[in-house]
Amino acid sequence: DTEVTQTPKHLVMGMTNKKSLKCEQHMGHRAMYWYKQKAKKPPELMFVYSYEKLSINESVPSRFSPECPNSSLLNLHLHALQPEDSALYLCASSQDPGTQPQHFGDGTRLSIL
Amino acid sequence: DAKTTQPNSMESNEEEPVHLPCNHSTISGTDYIHWYRQLPSQGPEYVIHGLTSNVNNRMASLAIAEDRKSSTLILHRATLRDAAVYYCILRDVGTGTASKLTFGTGTRLQVTL
Repeated sequence: DTEVTQTPKHLVMGMTNKKSLKCEQHMGHRAMYWYKQKAKKPPELMFVYSYEKLSINESVPSRFSPECPNSSLLNLHLHALQPEDSALYLCASSQDPGTQPQHFGDGTRLSIL
Repeated sequence: DAKTTQPNSMESNEEEPVHLPCNHSTISGTDYIHWYRQLPSQGPEYVIHGLTSNVNNRMASLAIAEDRKSSTLILHRATLRDAAVYYCILRDVGTGTASKLTFGTGTRLQVTL
């Protein structure tokens, strides 16, 4: 069991749908992250939130919209996705945005039809 | 960013020690060496990190070369549960990008009976 909870575990959506991925942690961590992982590839950083403010956006297309409503929650809003966006989306958190270890959830496996 | 080089795959017998190497010849003085692993169908998991001195924790040991151009993750007694992809990652505290975890291709460890 991980301390970072992601829902849903699986999601299938069409290219015109709007959906959201949710991530929650109750460890008091002040930094949260979204990563994308394609099959048989390493995870790639998408966004970093530090103290509830977006601090890093790795040139992610605007069809991915992150949101951090409070220090425990991180959402990723999805709209008009493409088939190549099918991947495992991982959320992580850390005590602060420095070199503290990041704790990962088990991800949401997203399939775009 | 300083890069790391790891073998694509390694094999080990159960209950034998495993030494996973990582080369980082362009490491800077402010780079911390982090190791994560990713078990099948799970998110990455923090293993250990260090700067200059060797480090031990309940999961593994990290041996860092005196010139810091290479390091070795040591699993003292491999079990089937240790079969995973192991990532060696440098995190630079000197440039304000320490929050970014940049995963390489990692080493896939197979453990056999």
